[in-house]
Amino acid sequence: RKEVEQDPGPFNVPEGATVAFNCTYSNSASQSFFWYRQDCRKEPKLLMSVYSSGNEDGRFTAQLNRASQYISLLIRDSKLSDSATYLCVVKMNTNAGKSTFGDGTTLTVKP
Amino acid sequence: NAGVTQTPKFRVLKTGQSMTLLCAQDMNHEYMYWYRQDPGMGLRLIHYSVGEGTTAKGEVPDGYNVSRLKKQNFLLGLESAAPSQTSVYFCASSEIEPRGDGYTFGSGTRLTVV
Repeated sequence: RKEVEQDPGPFNVPEGATVAFNCTYSNSASQSFFWYRQDCRKEPKLLMSVYSSGNEDGRFTAQLNRASQYISLLIRDSKLSDSATYLCVVKMNTNAGKSTFGDGTTLTVKP
Repeated sequence: NAGVTQTPKFRVLKTGQSMTLLCAQDMNHEYMYWYRQDPGMGLRLIHYSVGEGTTAKGEVPDGYNVSRLKKQNFLLGLESAAPSQTSVYFCASSEIEPRGDGYTFGSGTRLTVV
């Protein structure tokens, strides 16, 4: 079993749709959680950190469920520019900052 | 504000050749990492460094060596390139834990070994 698992998709949604991605992690000692966005042939870029209380940044909402060991990302009112691969990342703060990346979920938003 | 800079951006090697990938960061980050990304797969950690003069193995270190002689630079060496090392290589840096900040990535090096 992978340490971090994501549904690879692809998710194909129309503009304006709401879409949610889930990510599960196996190590219960994980402390920090992130969502990264990666455009085709580009480097990953930090989208948002995920906090225990949940957090929102505009159309994006991230949630953490420690009991069930999963993280979610909700995108509301999808835009064409949201088309990308979304990477779930889990980090153990006591392990030299090393992070474990999921394989990513691909989103395509269509007109 | 340059962030993390990787050179070269593209390279084609013949099997058995050697090369060095350079990563430079100007954010005074302590931690630096080298990842590889293959099609349909997530990023896999090759080597990392928690400070100047230190290096450690990651998940897939075989066939690679690294050095961190200066805090701002992290070099990745391929001793004898193999086709299996065809990949996109990303360097990243981060603050010291436990702030838990994310990584800043370089734009990547696309390496093809023929």
